[in-house]
Amino acid sequence: GEDVEQSLFLSVREGDSSVINCTYTDSSSTYLYWYKQEPGAGLQLLTYIFSNMDMKQDQRLTVLLNKKDKHLSLRIADTQTGDSAIYFCAGIKAAGNKLTFGGGTRVLVKP
Amino acid sequence: NAGVTQTPKFRILKIGQSMTLQCTQDMNHNYMYWYRQDPGMGLKLIYYSVGAGITDKGEVPNGYNVSRSTTEDFPLRLELAAPSQTSVYFCASSPGPNYGYTFGSGTRLTVV
Repeated sequence: GEDVEQSLFLSVREGDSSVINCTYTDSSSTYLYWYKQEPGAGLQLLTYIFSNMDMKQDQRLTVLLNKKDKHLSLRIADTQTGDSAIYFCAGIKAAGNKLTFGGGTRVLVKP
Repeated sequence: NAGVTQTPKFRILKIGQSMTLQCTQDMNHNYMYWYRQDPGMGLKLIYYSVGAGITDKGEVPNGYNVSRSTTEDFPLRLELAAPSQTSVYFCASSPGPNYGYTFGSGTRLTVV
C-alpha cells in the first residue's frame, strides 16, 4: 500500500481561502481524491484528480498535484462556515482496488 | 435513492459478545469495503470485496469476518468483542477500483 500524510488542523476566517495539503509516497498512484466528513456523518466525495493532470477546478475547489514532490493540495475559495469539517485525501495505485486514506485535516472556519 | 445503508447506527456491546454490522447498497456496485475510524484518526481498511463470493483482508482484519453472498449486502461480523474494537465503522461501495466511494453514515460501536 501507500502512505498518505496530512496536517492535523487548519483554522481559517470566513471569506478567506483555505489550503489543505497532503503528501503521498507511491508515485504510481493513478487517482487522488478529496473527501469531506461533517460531524457524525460518513465521508462525501468532493473531487478527484487523475495523475496525468496538474490542476483541476470545480467551482470553489481547486486541486493541485505536484507529481515530482508527491504533493496534493485542495484550495477552497471564499471559505464558509459550512466548510468546517474533516478533509481526507486518498490515493489508489494503478491496478489497485482499494483507497489508502490520510489521517484527515480538521478545518475550523471562524466567523 | 438510498445509496449505502448501515444498521444499526449505535450499539453498545459487552466484552465477549458477538454482533453483525449490516451494510447494503442499491447501486449495483461490485466493490464494497469496511473501514474503521478511531477517534481523531483516519480510516483503516478491515475487509473488502470485489464482487459476490469474493472477499479479501485489509490492513486490520483480526477479530472480524465478512461474507458477500449477494451484490447488495456486505455484513461485518465481530465474534468476540474487545474494547479495542470500540470505533466508528463505515461501509462503502464503488462501481470499480478507480471510482470514488459512496459511504454509509456509519455505525458507532462501544465495547465495555
